[in-house]
Amino acid sequence: GIQVEQSPPDLILQEGANSTLRCNFSDSVNNLQWFHQNPWGQLINLFYIPSGTKQNGRLSATTVATERYSLLYISSSQTTDSGVYFCAVLETTDKLIFGTGTRLQVFP
Amino acid sequence: DVKVTQSSRYLVKRTGEKVFLECVQDMDHENMFWYRQDPGLGLRLIYFSYDVKMKEKGDIPEGYSVSREKKERFSLILESASTNQTSMYLCASSLGEGGAEKLFFGSGTQLSVL
Repeated sequence: GIQVEQSPPDLILQEGANSTLRCNFSDSVNNLQWFHQNPWGQLINLFYIPSGTKQNGRLSATTVATERYSLLYISSSQTTDSGVYFCAVLETTDKLIFGTGTRLQVFP
Repeated sequence: DVKVTQSSRYLVKRTGEKVFLECVQDMDHENMFWYRQDPGLGLRLIYFSYDVKMKEKGDIPEGYSVSREKKERFSLILESASTNQTSMYLCASSLGEGGAEKLFFGSGTQLSVL
């Protein structure tokens, strides 16, 4: 099956810093999504981005499907950005496969 | 906004008990999913459903069953709970065919089996 790798596994930032999270996948995909899981466990869908670039406030995402990677940019990070960021891709069997996540900690 | 509601936030059960985890979504979504999340293993798909009374096995269906009698409700059943089923259980839903749409999650149920 398709493999999804995220990097870095852990990231520690001070408030106001920018960061880039990466998601590599091993095969062509038609569907890629980014999620944020807050410290209380709630998973929030950030982006549905099979290709191209999208922006939502301080967050933006770019997927280059032909090169099999996606990037999530967080600018001017805040303590509320802390948590785990997952990317997920759709396998041909119609199942979303999740990466192992990037744990982000933002300190004041 | 889509709302996916899981009936319990925390649940403690004993080995051998039959356990029901309930999930309800309010946006008329076709697709519903049950995942479990464990440290170091990420999210793993247990079962999913693309329509009422329809179910498909995910990656780790052993020890679980599901029920979807109504479109808005998808139940996960642990027939005889075991300690290795202690986990965070997450329900999700999406609109559209084949799960190829934006996925929305409930807030999760942390199940402890003693």
